[in-house]
Amino acid sequence: DAKTTQPNSMESNEEEPVHLPCNHSTISGTDYIHWYRQLPSQGPEYVIHGLTSNVNNRMASLAIAEDRKSSTLILHRATLRDAAVYYCILRGYDRGSTLGRLYFGRGTQLTVWP
Amino acid sequence: EPEVTQTPSHQVTQMGQEVILRCVPISNHLYFYWYRQILGQKVEFLVSFYNNEISEKSEIFDDQFSVERPDGSNFTLKIRSTKLEDSAMYFCASSETTATNEKLFFGSGTQLSVL
Repeated sequence: DAKTTQPNSMESNEEEPVHLPCNHSTISGTDYIHWYRQLPSQGPEYVIHGLTSNVNNRMASLAIAEDRKSSTLILHRATLRDAAVYYCILRGYDRGSTLGRLYFGRGTQLTVWP
Repeated sequence: EPEVTQTPSHQVTQMGQEVILRCVPISNHLYFYWYRQILGQKVEFLVSFYNNEISEKSEIFDDQFSVERPDGSNFTLKIRSTKLEDSAMYFCASSETTATNEKLFFGSGTQLSVL
């Protein structure tokens, strides 16, 4: 069971940047850091993933600390539609997470205010 | 973007009845999964499926559960004799590979209510 620690909740105003932190101090060298989000009454949705370098895609950016023990998901301009639970998940072959088994924690509930 | 579709969106059943939840994974994906989420709790892995066989299952996936790919497009989860505690949102997912840098695509879920 891959272990990550996230704040239970965060708030942001619309059109402001949001930085969602995740601690993963027991990460191994081959673990990928994945982020998923779950909108209300929806299934989880892939957001982004990375290994060592910072990553950008159309949804978000992922900043990974140099020692890889923490990472931050960055939403550059939050919208009301970004209100969701955000999950930080480690995936590695030595964590029992082969074959598509993702271990979801409680995640961070992001509230976006208009 | 391609998506995983699940039917029905809501299913109400009586305790002890059989239910079948249906999913259409993304067409070129080879790996299929079921997850569930009891109200207010974490998303939990149930089972993974590849090449017409179960690849991995969790301790939740007992003999009351079965999965099948009856044809080239559908993937089903059957609960043989439902219990009250089976009430949950069930999510189907699929992926091209099981590489640790691969992403899973989830459906919108079937809300199962067992009365």
